[in-house]
Amino acid sequence: AQKITQTQPGMFVQEKEAVTLDCTYDTSDQSYGLFWYKQPSSGEMIFLIYQGSYDEQNATEGRYSLNFQKARKSANLVISASQLGDSAMYFCAMRALNSGYSTLTFGKGTMLLVSP
Amino acid sequence: EAGVTQFPSHSVIEKGQTVTLRCDPISGHDNLYWYRRVMGKEIKFLLHFVKESKQDESGMPNNRFLAERTGGTYSTLKVQPAELEDSGVYFCASSTRQGARETQYFGPGTRLLVL
Repeated sequence: AQKITQTQPGMFVQEKEAVTLDCTYDTSDQSYGLFWYKQPSSGEMIFLIYQGSYDEQNATEGRYSLNFQKARKSANLVISASQLGDSAMYFCAMRALNSGYSTLTFGKGTMLLVSP
Repeated sequence: EAGVTQFPSHSVIEKGQTVTLRCDPISGHDNLYWYRRVMGKEIKFLLHFVKESKQDESGMPNNRFLAERTGGTYSTLKVQPAELEDSGVYFCASSTRQGARETQYFGPGTRLLVL
């Protein structure tokens, strides 16, 4: 079984600053994928970034980067130069690749508020 | 390209009534998933279709929930009879098989409130 823990129910950041959203995971699988999704107030879940367990480099997508520390089982999302539009709920998720299933396991989410 | 769509966006029903949620995946996506988020809890997997076949339904809470995907296109999730604890947001997601990098694209969800 997999488990995702997001310990920050809410985070505040000022516009243009960087922010790190924490995510730790637990799995017995050696091969897995880690995902971050953003859910703005409109409700849709927007895929942000993916990190494979065997990827040697940390994933980056524009202002989003994933600080992947495999030994610590952490996959923190870093948002650089925060914008007001970044205010949203952020979910960390994982999928074990060897179990034969494609289901995602989610954390409880972190609400990010960006202030002017 | 249109994203995953879900209907209705909101539904308020009384305990004991029936509700049917619909999901239209991205065109060409064989994989379709249903997830649910109950207030304050994690988003939980319900089931997974590959085309019209149920690949994994281990997350379905009980036999009051029935999911179908006739023809391998859109899917419906029926709750009959609805109970108070069924309230939550029901998400649908779809994907194509891309090996290790399969990315599931989510719809906006249906907010269900059972009174």
